[in-house]
Amino acid sequence: SAVISQKPSRDICQRGTSLTIQCQVDSQVTMMFWYRQQPGQSLTLIATANQGSEATYESGFVIDKFPISRPNLTFSTLTVSNMSPEDSSIYLCSVVKDLYGYTFGSGTRLTVV
Amino acid sequence: KQEVTQIPAALSVPEGENLVLNCSFTDSAIYNLQWFRQDPGKGLTSLLLIQSSQREQTSGRLNASLDKSSGRSTLYIAASQPGDSATYLCAVEESNYQLIWGAGTKLIIKP
Repeated sequence: SAVISQKPSRDICQRGTSLTIQCQVDSQVTMMFWYRQQPGQSLTLIATANQGSEATYESGFVIDKFPISRPNLTFSTLTVSNMSPEDSSIYLCSVVKDLYGYTFGSGTRLTVV
Repeated sequence: KQEVTQIPAALSVPEGENLVLNCSFTDSAIYNLQWFRQDPGKGLTSLLLIQSSQREQTSGRLNASLDKSSGRSTLYIAASQPGDSATYLCAVEESNYQLIWGAGTKLIIKP
């Protein structure tokens, strides 16, 4: 299976600022996924990022708020822009590999004050 | 629309007991089902993946079964330990790489 390094592990940010979260995978993968987990809730898919194309966003998520980069097959970033306290969540990246299923990063715990 | 339900929502048992966590889904047309554990404030750790053609998977003290016809999966934990305390999530994958999540079972193992 894949191993994902996700950074930062946590951050406390001022409202109105932006935070970029990075995920590095130890092998090439076609698709990377970004999730949000609000306090006490299950995971919600934000977008799917394929290398060389625009990310595909789920309903309720827009590129201006959550821009995603996917410059190569092992790396992706998610930016949370113009943050408000409602953005306080755990953000997770994930990849999928046949026979192994989904692997997740260790998560970024974001608190907006 | 696929719905995934996990029962119970929370479970507290003494150390050493065997236990079963349940996951049910409404549409049997799944690609696979995967069990994860999540420690508080952390990411997810994959426990077991059961592909749609399989009936069960085992890893150490964990055994997961899948019955597609009845829309059910169980995660069996043998000889539970305090380190097993976590939230356990099941997710079904539909053919378009969409994961549908259960709400999780919060497990506490009392020493």
